[in-house]
Amino acid sequence: AQKITQTQPGMFVQEKEAVTLDCTYDTSDQSYGLFWYKQPSSGEMIFLIYQGSYDEQNATEGRYSLNFQKARKSANLVISASQLGDSAMYFCAIGTWGGSEKLVFGKGMKLTVNP
Amino acid sequence: DAEITQSPRHKITETGRQVTLACHQTWNHNNMFWYRQDLGHGLRLIHYSYGVQDTNKGEVSDGYSVSRSNTEDLPLTLESAASSQTSVYFCASSDRTGKATDTQYFGPGTRLTVL
Repeated sequence: AQKITQTQPGMFVQEKEAVTLDCTYDTSDQSYGLFWYKQPSSGEMIFLIYQGSYDEQNATEGRYSLNFQKARKSANLVISASQLGDSAMYFCAIGTWGGSEKLVFGKGMKLTVNP
Repeated sequence: DAEITQSPRHKITETGRQVTLACHQTWNHNNMFWYRQDLGHGLRLIHYSYGVQDTNKGEVSDGYSVSRSNTEDLPLTLESAASSQTSVYFCASSDRTGKATDTQYFGPGTRLTVL
């Protein structure tokens, strides 16, 4: 079975600073994918970034990067230059390669960006 | 633009009633998923489908059913609504090409209250 652990219930960061959101995972699969989703107060789930287990380079998407450490089974999300609009819930999830099958989500963590 | 929609966005019903939540996607994706979101639990998978006439149970399927008669729609039915089914329900879809880009995209959610 796959499992995601997000232990930080909430974090605060100053605008324009970088922040790291922690995610650890457990799986017996050799091939898997790790995902981060953002959920603002409006409620929608927004896909941010994906990392495949065989990808040698850390994924990046604009201000988002994924610090993937396979040996430690961690897939931390790094947001550079935080903006007020980054205030939201963030969910880490694990699934099969490419996410074409079911995802297992962590419980999420709340990020608040202060001006 | 392709999209995924859910209706209704808000629903209040009474214990014991049958309720159907609609999900419609125009991505032409093979895969469709239903999740529920509750405080402290993140998102949990209810049912999923990999194509027409295919349905599968997820982690929390008791009391729910789905049917897939076409590519675009996966309605979720609560056979006899219970207060424990008060939640926010998300539908998602993804392609199934075997590529890393088969990301799941989510609908806006349906907030269901069972009194």
